[in-house]
Amino acid sequence: EDKVVQSPLSLVVHEGDTVTLNCSYEVTNFRSLLWYKQEKKAPTFLFMLTSSGIEKKSGRLSSILDKKELFSILNITATQTGDSAIYLCAVGNAGGTSYGKLTFGQGTILTVHP
Amino acid sequence: NAGVTQTPKFQVLKTGQSMTLQCAQDMNHNSMYWYRQDPGMGLRLIYYSASEGTTDKGEVPNGYNVSRLNKREFSLRLESAAPSQTSVYFCASSGGGAQETQYFGPGTRLLVL
Repeated sequence: EDKVVQSPLSLVVHEGDTVTLNCSYEVTNFRSLLWYKQEKKAPTFLFMLTSSGIEKKSGRLSSILDKKELFSILNITATQTGDSAIYLCAVGNAGGTSYGKLTFGQGTILTVHP
Repeated sequence: NAGVTQTPKFQVLKTGQSMTLQCAQDMNHNSMYWYRQDPGMGLRLIYYSASEGTTDKGEVPNGYNVSRLNKREFSLRLESAAPSQTSVYFCASSGGGAQETQYFGPGTRLLVL
């Protein structure tokens, strides 16, 4: 059974701080790792990392994938109150009937105070 | 282009009542998914449809049924609601197969009394 574990479960910081969110996984046939941001409603897609793309960056957000150690981190620099959200990590399985499905972690609740 | 839409946004049921949650996507995606989200548990897959005409169980299918009505629509039915089914339900869609980035609807908040 595929498993995704995120840490910490919650984090409170002040504006301007840098945060690192962690995601470790166990999956039988790894295909991809995805990060989502969830504010009040639907999760929105941030990054997808695969064997051919182990580092992604968009503005103040960046993510790396370590396929050897089976984890990923999401970094947010110079945090803003608008970064307050739940950050979800998910892994995609390339095997058999699991192809195309995602397994999600519990999420990290990030709160950024002014 | 609305993406993924869900109805209703909020529903209150009594134990034993039935209801159907509706989901539609206009991105011509092959695959569609139903998740539930409970505090501290992330998103758990209930059922999915890899392509039109097929459906399969996910991690937590008990108490639910689904119908892939056509390529656009995927509904989730609770035949006899229980308080344990109080949750937020999300529908998602993706291109399918190697195109696994999933796009989510706004969610349905369900309260079973």
